[in-house]
Amino acid sequence: GQNIDQPTEMTATEGAIVQINCTYQTSGFNGLFWYQQHAGEAPTFLSYNVLDGLEEKGRFSSFLSRSKGYSYLLLKELQMKDSASYLCAVRDSNYQLIWGAGTKLIIKP
Amino acid sequence: ETGVTQTPRHLVMGMTNKKSLKCEQHLGHNAMYWYKQSAKKPLELMFVYNFKEQTENNSVPSRFSPECPNSSHLFLHLHTLQPEDSALYLCASSQDGTSPYNEQFFGPGTRLTVL
Repeated sequence: GQNIDQPTEMTATEGAIVQINCTYQTSGFNGLFWYQQHAGEAPTFLSYNVLDGLEEKGRFSSFLSRSKGYSYLLLKELQMKDSASYLCAVRDSNYQLIWGAGTKLIIKP
Repeated sequence: ETGVTQTPRHLVMGMTNKKSLKCEQHLGHNAMYWYKQSAKKPLELMFVYNFKEQTENNSVPSRFSPECPNSSHLFLHLHTLQPEDSALYLCASSQDGTSPYNEQFFGPGTRLTVL
């Protein structure tokens, strides 16, 4: 079966750095996405990785290792507005997105 | 309006009611999706339409019936639902349904409660 694993909840301090991990087992791989979802709102796109390595976009970076079936989202200089759920999703061989259950990130002052 | 819109935002219905959810995208995309999001569970893909043709039906019960009259509009018709169908129903769109880099844009969702 296909599976995406990510921690259920994480807590971090404002101004700090946090890393949210995602491991996956899917039938085929055509890219990995990270989305952010604030409570009661729509998920919004953060990043896309299809090749191994680090993609940096401002305070957010995403890393991929295809051989390990592993990705992480790195958030720097945390702000209170970063409190949200972070969803990891993998596009499989049928080009469908397989989603993780999301990681709820709580930022404390 | 811009992006992806959904109406209604909240819906409470009895098990014998018939209702419809509406989704509209203003992005010129060709693929549209219905997802179900339950608390602490992964997003569940329900239906995919690519160029108005249904290309995916993930074993969704027949009490959910999708309709895609054109590339900009998507409906989800609901009838004789069960309490376990209570969830957030999200609509999304993308440029098409097959390109590898195919970011999906989501609407705000309809919070459905079945009594």
